[in-house]
Amino acid sequence: GAVVSQHPSRVICKSGTSVKIECRSLDFQATTMFWYRQFPKQSLMLMATSNEGSKATYEQGVEKDKFLINHASLTLSTLTVTSAHPEDSSFYICSAQRVSGSDNEQFFGPGTRLTVL
Amino acid sequence: GENVEQHPSTLSVQEGDSAVIKCTYSDSASNYFPWYKQELGKRPQLIIDIRSNVGEKKDQRIAVTLNKTAKHFSLHITETQPEDSAVYFCAATPKGTSYDKVIFGPGTSLSVIP
Repeated sequence: GAVVSQHPSRVICKSGTSVKIECRSLDFQATTMFWYRQFPKQSLMLMATSNEGSKATYEQGVEKDKFLINHASLTLSTLTVTSAHPEDSSFYICSAQRVSGSDNEQFFGPGTRLTVL
Repeated sequence: GENVEQHPSTLSVQEGDSAVIKCTYSDSASNYFPWYKQELGKRPQLIIDIRSNVGEKKDQRIAVTLNKTAKHFSLHITETQPEDSAVYFCAATPKGTSYDKVIFGPGTSLSVIP
């Protein structure tokens, strides 16, 4: 099966600082990755679609200047939460899309728990 | 855009009984419907999926049905076990040109009582 990793798994930071989260596809190339945010007892909300070599596509209501996405290679996408505030505390999960014939499969990373003090 | 609704939000069943979770979607272009199980603090785990050219699919104790005309799909778990307790999410995927976004339903918290 395909493996997607995330780093770090947990991060605690002070309000006003920036935090970078990495998402890697370990055994396949992913031209497209997705970033989700999940608040406690809620669903996964798609934040943005990350495309290798081009700008990310953000969902409505997600601030692109707040959540910077860089997909610099076929195996790595990064999400940077800039000037983090306590309301940004959440579980951030990425997924990587693997193309299989005419179908696309998504594989999820283990998630990153962000706590902003 | 796609909107996925899911019911019930919580479900308690006795061990051995069946559990049914129902979802509806809004975008007729959606053609792939995965179901995920998520345990606390972990990633969603794909448990079964169905594509729009199929009406029903079964994998051991889990089955999924799809009614494209009504835009309904359902998850059926038979002979439930305590380890089935988790949050279950349905999802719909509108077919894109180069990538397929997965839009999640709000989730169902399933408790299986021993």
